[in-house]
Amino acid sequence: AQSVTQPDIHITVSEGASLELRCNYSYGATPYLFWYVQSPGQGLQLLLKYFSGDTLVQGIKGFEAEFKRSQSSFNLRKPSVHWSDAAEYFCAVAVSGGYNKLIFGAGTRLAVHP
Amino acid sequence: DAGVIQSPRHEVTEMGQEVTLRCKPISGHNSLFWYRQTMMRGLELLIYFNNNVPIDDSGMPEDRFSAKMPNASFSTLKIQPSEPRDSAVYFCASSLGQGAGQPQHFGDGTRLSIL
Repeated sequence: AQSVTQPDIHITVSEGASLELRCNYSYGATPYLFWYVQSPGQGLQLLLKYFSGDTLVQGIKGFEAEFKRSQSSFNLRKPSVHWSDAAEYFCAVAVSGGYNKLIFGAGTRLAVHP
Repeated sequence: DAGVIQSPRHEVTEMGQEVTLRCKPISGHNSLFWYRQTMMRGLELLIYFNNNVPIDDSGMPEDRFSAKMPNASFSTLKIQPSEPRDSAVYFCASSLGQGAGQPQHFGDGTRLSIL
């Protein structure tokens, strides 16, 4: 069955430090992968998506993610974190079944220290 | 452009009462999703509509839950009777089309508390 694993429940970084959030997926075919961010009291906002082609994708707010098929991973990165990046981050895979059904990971909560 | 609009943002009611959550998708989007988010279970898809027709309701937890989409600009999720374990944040999302690459756009959610 398709699944998404985000191994880190909580991550704390200092402002200005680099960030990498891990995501591993289980899916037989070529996956459609997404990263969403959820700020407190708000809905999920799309950061970036990967369908095919270049394995390094750029998103909004200075985020990027790299698809590695050999490792079944789609890690999210940012070279320098801002305090406003504190939020919960969700990785998701679109699965087959006739429509764009998403399977979400459990999320990683990011805290940013000044 | 307006995003997905959900109402109310917060709802507190006593168990046994009927609860109705509302959603207005982004204009032109023909796919609509209802999700439930809890600490224990994360984000769960409850039901999916395409062109106002329910396509996948396998995530609806039990008969107390029902959803309708009478037209392209409005959907409701109803819980009757409500129970404390229904307390959660309920999200509505919409997308333009149903291809696997179509991203879903989320509303800000309804935080539901059943006492």
